[in-house]
Amino acid sequence: EVQLVESGGGVVQPGGSLRLSCAASGLTFNYNFYAMHWVRQTPGKGLEWVSLINGGGGRTYYVDSVKGRFTISRDNSKNSLYLQMNSLRKEDTALYYCVKDRGYDTPDGMDVWGQGTTVTVSS
Amino acid sequence: SSDLTQPPSVSVSPGQTATIACSGEELEYMFISWYQRRPGQSPVLVIYQNDRRPSGIPERFSGSSSGNTATLTISGTQVLDEADYYCQAWDGDSHVIFGGGTELTVL
Repeated sequence: EVQLVESGGGVVQPGGSLRLSCAASGLTFNYNFYAMHWVRQTPGKGLEWVSLINGGGGRTYYVDSVKGRFTISRDNSKNSLYLQMNSLRKEDTALYYCVKDRGYDTPDGMDVWGQGTTVTVSS
Repeated sequence: SSDLTQPPSVSVSPGQTATIACSGEELEYMFISWYQRRPGQSPVLVIYQNDRRPSGIPERFSGSSSGNTATLTISGTQVLDEADYYCQAWDGDSHVIFGGGTELTVL
């Protein structure tokens, strides 16, 4: 069974930084064949897509509110995904999910989700 | 980017059919996916490419799309189907979009 395990969440002051990591295990697929996302869920609210990276890692996309502050990356040799978050704001407080997509370049359905890691931005 | 609009809540009696709509101005040009999120659990993909069902998803879940509206239909709704449901699309350029979510109540 494919599992995605996130880590790196925590409490940080506004303006601070965090780096989230996601490790894929139990792989029955070639990790580098699939795009990966970070999706967040804010307390009491819905899902918000944060960022996407294609299978090869050469194309990245971001929601407008995090552009210039967050950087998504992946290491296919380690079956790992990362999200570097800088200049954090209170509104970035959320549960962050690592998610595998069915597609390689563009989204085609997010078919595997991690359990999430919590980021709290508070002074 | 295009917004996706869902009703905040839908109620259905057990055994009946639940329909959840997702509308958007440019939706006819997009493939829609649907996700189920039960309280305290991670979301699960239940429909992709408008009407395709991943392996392991019960046949009572189906999807369709026409014009600017996509629809998730749950036939013979069960109490365990009670959850939040989200539609999602790729705008064809650079953004993934989620609808605001619909809380399905089965009572």
